[in-house]
Amino acid sequence: GQQVMQIPQYQHVQEGEDFTTYCNSSTTLSNIQWYKQRPGGHPVFLIQLVKSGEVKKQKRLTFQFGEAKKNSSLHITATQTTDVGTYFCGIDRGSTLGRLYFGRGTQLTVWP
Amino acid sequence: DTEVTQTPKHLVMGMTNKKSLKCEQHMGHRAMYWYKQKAKKPPELMFVYSYEKLSINESVPSRFSPECPNSSLLNLHLHALQPEDSALYLCASSPPGGTSPLHFGNGTRLTVT
Repeated sequence: GQQVMQIPQYQHVQEGEDFTTYCNSSTTLSNIQWYKQRPGGHPVFLIQLVKSGEVKKQKRLTFQFGEAKKNSSLHITATQTTDVGTYFCGIDRGSTLGRLYFGRGTQLTVWP
Repeated sequence: DTEVTQTPKHLVMGMTNKKSLKCEQHMGHRAMYWYKQKAKKPPELMFVYSYEKLSINESVPSRFSPECPNSSLLNLHLHALQPEDSALYLCASSPPGGTSPLHFGNGTRLTVT
């Protein structure tokens, strides 16, 4: 099945700094999803990217899907303490729909 | 908050116990999932039900037995678990068709002693 590498594993930033997490696949992806999990919480869906080169924005969050549909990124501008959590990308695994496979996640810590 | 409700929130059980985790959603979703999440790890897919039928079993040991009594309910029956099965068990649901976003419940924190 498809695998996805997510980096970095940890990121510590000062409030106001930017943050980026990356997901990379060795194979072409049909789509990619992004989730956020707050400490002690459950994963919450953020966005789904489907088209090659797609860029979507949600306030301070910018999501990109690579032209080759093998990589994706999540960028947060001017982080806030409310951005703390672990960000996961999720991809289809194999031919059976519904088999969502998560990257290892990037744990973001924001210092005030 | 979430529209997927899981009970109980916490569960401590011995290795000889039998217990069940429950999940309920009323969003009309026809796909339901069980994921297992260990600390500082991503959620790992265990089972997928589509239209109340088991469609995916990710080679999960038989001590975990899923059940989908109807389109709104999903259970996970536990029997003879091991301490390494201690984890956060997450239920999720999604609309039918395609690759739809997952709606997760708050999870059940399971400790096996």
